[in-house]
Amino acid sequence: DTGVSQDPRHKITKRGQNVTFRCDPISEHNRLYWYRQTLGQGPEFLTYFQNEAQLEKSRLLSDRFSAERPKGSFSTLEIQRTEQGDSAMYLCASSRTLAGGTDTQYFGPGTRLTVL
Amino acid sequence: GQQLNQSPQSMFIQEGEDVSMNCTSSSIFNTWLWYKQEPGEGPVLLIALYKAGELTSNGRLTAQFGITRKDSFLNISASIPSDVGIYFCAGLPLDFGNEKLTFGTGTRLTIIP
Repeated sequence: DTGVSQDPRHKITKRGQNVTFRCDPISEHNRLYWYRQTLGQGPEFLTYFQNEAQLEKSRLLSDRFSAERPKGSFSTLEIQRTEQGDSAMYLCASSRTLAGGTDTQYFGPGTRLTVL
Repeated sequence: GQQLNQSPQSMFIQEGEDVSMNCTSSSIFNTWLWYKQEPGEGPVLLIALYKAGELTSNGRLTAQFGITRKDSFLNISASIPSDVGIYFCAGLPLDFGNEKLTFGTGTRLTIIP
C-alpha cells in the first residue's frame, strides 16, 4: 500500500505531557498538510509544507504545537504540555504540485489523541 | 474555523434509495472535493471537481460544481450498505497558492435494514 501512513493510530496521554505524531506521505508528493478534526466536525487546516519549507500555519496552531519536515519526506507534529482541549483526530494529507496547480489532497488514517 | 454549510446533517434511508446532499459557501472556490469518512479512519476522496458547471461521475456517485462556484452537490444512486459513513464536501479557494481545504460539517448517512 503506497498511501499516506500515520503513526501512532491512537495515543492516550495525561495532561501536561508532550506527544509527537509522524506522517509519511505518498512518495512522489511534495506537499504535506496537517489537519485537526474534533467530534462531529469536518477537518480544520493546521499547517502545510512544500518540500521541507513550512509555508503556512493556521491560528489554530498555538505555540505549543510545532511541525517539521526536515528532509522533505516524512513530517512530525509535536504538541507540548498537552491540554484536554487538544483531544482530537490529527490527520495528515499529501499532494503533488502539477503544472497548472496542485493535485488533490489524499488523507492518511489519522492519529486519535485522547488527553486525560 | 470556517466550515462550509452542508445539508442535510444526517440521512436515514433504505437500501436501494437514492441520496442527495449539498454544500454551500459564502465565498468562491476553485475546486470542490467530496470525501467519505468511516469511523476511526481518515477521509477518502470520492470525486474532485475543477471547473464551474462540471458534472462528474464515479460509479453510482455523481457530483456537480455549481455554476456560481459557491456550491456543489453529491448524489448517490441505488444505495448499498457499504455507503454508510460521513460524507464531507471540501473547497479549495480561488487565490493562487492558498492550499487550505475548507470542509463542510458533514452528512451522516445511515441505511435502515
